[in-house]
Amino acid sequence: EAGVAQSPRYKIIEKRQSVAFWCNPISGHATLYWYQQILGQGPKLLIQFQNNGVVDDSQLPKDRFSAERLKGVDSTLKIQPAKLEDSAVYLCASRGLAGRQETQYFGPGTRLLVL
Amino acid sequence: GNSVTQMEGPVTLSEEAFLTINCTYTATGYPSLFWYVQYPGEGLQLLLKATKADDKGSNKGFEATYRKETTSFHLEKGSVQVSDSAVYFCALTKIQGAQKLVFGQGTRLTINP
Repeated sequence: EAGVAQSPRYKIIEKRQSVAFWCNPISGHATLYWYQQILGQGPKLLIQFQNNGVVDDSQLPKDRFSAERLKGVDSTLKIQPAKLEDSAVYLCASRGLAGRQETQYFGPGTRLLVL
Repeated sequence: GNSVTQMEGPVTLSEEAFLTINCTYTATGYPSLFWYVQYPGEGLQLLLKATKADDKGSNKGFEATYRKETTSFHLEKGSVQVSDSAVYFCALTKIQGAQKLVFGQGTRLTINP
């Protein structure tokens, strides 16, 4: 079974530029998560999708971050404009639909450096 | 709100030493508890989990027991190897609702030969 795919793996941009990350979850997984992991900290949820609907985006800085999952499969996360403090690893995770199937499977992450 | 507190690192041990990484949590109701591991250059991998009080999760020689009375989920291994060097994250999620993971800050473990 293929895992969660993310691209790019690394990205370096200057502040005020825009950037986009892509995630392809495990086939058949209805729930998709984006987490932000700042160096030395645990991951923090940014947004959660169930199919193509948003379940939780309470921690997403909506003035600069946006995310979509138009067909309920792939997802993109965008930052515009980027700030220095956005430097982090952005992790995508997916989970199956079954009621107590709680395991989230993570992709390798996209490491973003904002200069 | 829900939160997880982990033993601060970094932790450095010699090969074959006994390992304990402490984890305590604050949550309403009955969360599920997890340990995730992040090897250098790789993504987060589920190491083990427990879904109810007194459950013991185990994998690759690691164990953790869900202790509701002390709100803890400490990670243990009897004899560590160099290959166990990684960052370990304790996390919780609620069974109902959005099931988002709430992570601790992580503990970096280095095992010396």
